[in-house]
Amino acid sequence: SAVISQKPSRDICQRGTSLTIQCQVDSQVTMMFWYRQQPGQSLTLIATANQGSEATYESGFVIDKFPISRPNLTFSTLTVSNMSPEDSSIYLCSARDRGYEGTEAFFGQGTRLTVV
Amino acid sequence: QKEVEQNSGPLSVPEGAIASLNCTYSDRGSQSFFWYRQYSGKSPELIMSIYSNGDKEDGRFTAQLNKASQYVSLLIRDSQPSDSATYLCAVNMLKIDKVIFGPGTSLSVIP
Repeated sequence: SAVISQKPSRDICQRGTSLTIQCQVDSQVTMMFWYRQQPGQSLTLIATANQGSEATYESGFVIDKFPISRPNLTFSTLTVSNMSPEDSSIYLCSARDRGYEGTEAFFGQGTRLTVV
Repeated sequence: QKEVEQNSGPLSVPEGAIASLNCTYSDRGSQSFFWYRQYSGKSPELIMSIYSNGDKEDGRFTAQLNKASQYVSLLIRDSQPSDSATYLCAVNMLKIDKVIFGPGTSLSVIP
C-alpha cells in the first residue's frame, strides 16, 4: 500500500489569503486526487491531479479557487486561494494504484483548515 | 438516485454484538468497493476492500458484496467501544473512473 504524507496537518488562516497543501507519496502512483470534507459531511472530490497537465475539476470547483499542480508521479499540491470562512474544511490527498486484486485508494492524514 | 447511499445512522449496538453497515451504489459496472473508518477529527482509514461477489473476512470485519443487487455491506463482529466511528462506503465508479464516497454511517458501540 502507498504511504501518503500531507502537510501542513492543520492551519488557521486569515480570510483573503491563500494556503498551499503538499502531498507526497512514497511510491509512483498512477492517479492522485484531492477531496474536501466539510464539517459533518462526507468526502467530496475536488479534482483529479494529472501529471504534467492541468487538473480535471469536478462540478462546483474551479482552477482559480483551487489551483493544483502535479509535477511528477509522487507529488501534488493544492492551493486554496482567497480564502473565506466557508473554506474551513479538512482537505485530503488521495492516491490510487492498481493492486493485485484491483484498484485501491489511500489517503493522507488530511489538512484541517480554519479560516478566520 | 445518489451514486453511493448509506444509512446515516446513528447506529447503536451493545458491546459484543454484531454491527451491520449497508451501502448501495448506482453504477452497475463498478468493480472496486471500499470501507473506510473515520474517527472524529481524523482522516479516513481503509479497513476493507472487496472486488468479487461474496464475503471477505479480515479479523472481526467481514465485507459482503452482491453486484447483482448493487449492494455492499460491512459486518463487525464482537463490537468494541473502540469501533465507534463513522464508516464510509466508497465505490470506484467504472463509468467515471473515480472513487465516490457515501455519506457515512455513524456507529456507536455501547459498553
